[in-house]
Amino acid sequence: EVQLVESGGGLVQPGGSLRLSCAVSGFTFSSYSMNWVRQAPGKGLEWLSYISSNSDTIYYADSVKGRFTISRDNAKNSLYLQMNSLRAEDTAVFYCASGYTYYDYWGQGTLVTVSS
Amino acid sequence: DIQMTQSPSTLSASVGDRVTITCRASQSISTWLAWYQQKPGKAPKVLIYKASSLESGVPSRFSGSGSGTEFTLTISSLQPDDFATYYCQQYNSYPATFGQGTKVEIK
Repeated sequence: EVQLVESGGGLVQPGGSLRLSCAVSGFTFSSYSMNWVRQAPGKGLEWLSYISSNSDTIYYADSVKGRFTISRDNAKNSLYLQMNSLRAEDTAVFYCASGYTYYDYWGQGTLVTVSS
Repeated sequence: DIQMTQSPSTLSASVGDRVTITCRASQSISTWLAWYQQKPGKAPKVLIYKASSLESGVPSRFSGSGSGTEFTLTISSLQPDDFATYYCQQYNSYPATFGQGTKVEIK
């Protein structure tokens, strides 16, 4: 069974940092591209970042470029998102999702709340 | 960036109705389009990829069509489990972009 499990969300003050993790099982993680997608409360889906299977290609949305860093550890079947300089508008549920084109597997999401 | 526009934003329908949702791209994306279903508190689930290919396990009442800039998702006979929000997504080029969503409500 394929499982993607995000963790690391929580309450953080504006300007703070947080590191999200996504633990993957049930497929050959090292062969798959991965993404982070977020959803602000009551809003739609926003793609944030992409990383190729061997980390040689990385993309970011303009909204997070320079503040967020995507990475992965294929030995640990894990995906990460380091988030710095967080703003109130970053408050959202963050999902990890597999795929280079469309996203076939998704985690359950982890909530990040940026507030003082 | 490629903008994706869905219509309508909200759709009220009854069980058994035929439902059509439209997605328009700001420039041609060939058939590089996916459709997702999302229920409250849950992650999105892919229904259709490459505009018209049905994801494994998805009921055949769901179908997709279109190419270039105009796409549709059709539910041939709406079932109680289908009341949800639907999103289109283009993957012609990064950044991948989603439509704003269409909420299908019970009439």
